Amino acid sequence: DVVMTQTPVSLSLAIGQPASISCKSSQSLLGTSGKTFLNWILQRPGQSPKRLIYQVSKLYSEVPDRFSGSGSETEFTLKISRVEAEDLGVYYCWQGTHFPLTFGSGTKLEIK
Amino acid sequence: EVQLVETGGGLMQPGKSLKLTCATSGFTFSNVWMHWVRQSPEKQLEWVAQIKAKSNNYATYYAESVKGRFTISRDDSKSSVYLQMNSLKEEDTAIYYCTWGALDYWGQGVMVTVSS
Repeated sequence: DVVMTQTPVSLSLAIGQPASISCKSSQSLLGTSGKTFLNWILQRPGQSPKRLIYQVSKLYSEVPDRFSGSGSETEFTLKISRVEAEDLGVYYCWQGTHFPLTFGSGTKLEIK
Repeated sequence: EVQLVETGGGLMQPGKSLKLTCATSGFTFSNVWMHWVRQSPEKQLEWVAQIKAKSNNYATYYAESVKGRFTISRDDSKSSVYLQMNSLKEEDTAIYYCTWGALDYWGQGVMVTVSS
């Protein structure tokens, strides 16, 4: 199985500060279709996960543009340009290129 | 509005069986691939099973950790997906979520606890 490694484990940031979360995969996530199925989800406290970004850098329509995703092959990054209070929670990367789907262990974002 | 509602969880002894149901609405259920994903008490997410649509012959796939014990199924007439869990183990203890497509939407989850 593809191992997804996220860093840092946790972040504590003030409102307005930028955030950066790294996700590394044990194999290239570039699929035979030419697409890279690396995605990000956010789980707010007490809630189920919600979609954020798909195929590395594509934001779902409901996601604010302060979020961005980048990367290729085995190294990926989620960035928040200016953290807001509603951004707190646990961020997970997950890959859908290789069977089975696998998830990172999560990065907890706390607001100072 | 997209909704997924999981039911059927509970406290079970090892070796017992349990069936989870996920009732959905707000999207064309028959066209989408459905998944079960679980979250351990340590908050680690693990994909459990997938069932494709009728056009894909309802093909099913399982994580190695549950293969041979769990069965995913669906009823398009009820817009529902199911997870039959047999021979439960303590390590199956988790919140079980149903989700669809590229894990686009998730239910609120249902707790399954396996303990003697």
